[in-house]
Amino acid sequence: QQQVKQSPQSLIVQKGGISIINCAYENTAFDYFPWYQQFPGKGPALLIAIRPDVSEKKEGRFTISFNKSAKQFSLHIMDSQPGDSATYFCAATPRANNLFFGTGTRLTVIP
Amino acid sequence: EAGVAQSPRYKIIEKRQSVAFWCNPISGHATLYWYQQILGQGPKLLIQFQNNGVVDDSQLPKDRFSAERLKGVDSTLKIQPAKLEDSAVYLCASSPVKRPNTGELFFGEGSRLTVL
Repeated sequence: QQQVKQSPQSLIVQKGGISIINCAYENTAFDYFPWYQQFPGKGPALLIAIRPDVSEKKEGRFTISFNKSAKQFSLHIMDSQPGDSATYFCAATPRANNLFFGTGTRLTVIP
Repeated sequence: EAGVAQSPRYKIIEKRQSVAFWCNPISGHATLYWYQQILGQGPKLLIQFQNNGVVDDSQLPKDRFSAERLKGVDSTLKIQPAKLEDSAVYLCASSPVKRPNTGELFFGEGSRLTVL
């Protein structure tokens, strides 16, 4: 059973465009929602995270939008760059410590 | 600050053979995790240690997988006997606190296992 559902599976964006990745969850016990970025041959690295008491968090070109009532959250990458080409994973964790990851989105930014 | 170290980076074995992966977490990190990442999927937790005690091993296939963390530092994950479906990247991560929702997980580069 997939605790966190992520879409799309892959995404191709022109340089300078906006990349949008969506995630949804069911478990209302989740209280922390991080996004991880993974380059080929590397481990995932934390990109940005949000708690359910805020609806939006922005760090540079990366923004998380959070809709608690819909149990959905999304990652927006503004002014996408070729260096952003990577696989992005949303995740969620309940008070029980474990991080549940989505299935990943492979982003390709075309120069 | 040194990151999470894992070895070997790559391993190819025949089914029914055994394999062991090693992880050295970031110094001072009390919590250590082993994740399995099958190609095209997100990482899935296998086991979580707090110091040298097991916090969560509910997803660990205990008939073939085992893990230990001696002295609360390094950890070893073993698979015996391996099956074809064990082909995956095994990621080790560490965290300075018990709950990942108060901090981030730091991942190693992973150990890629291919079972033939």
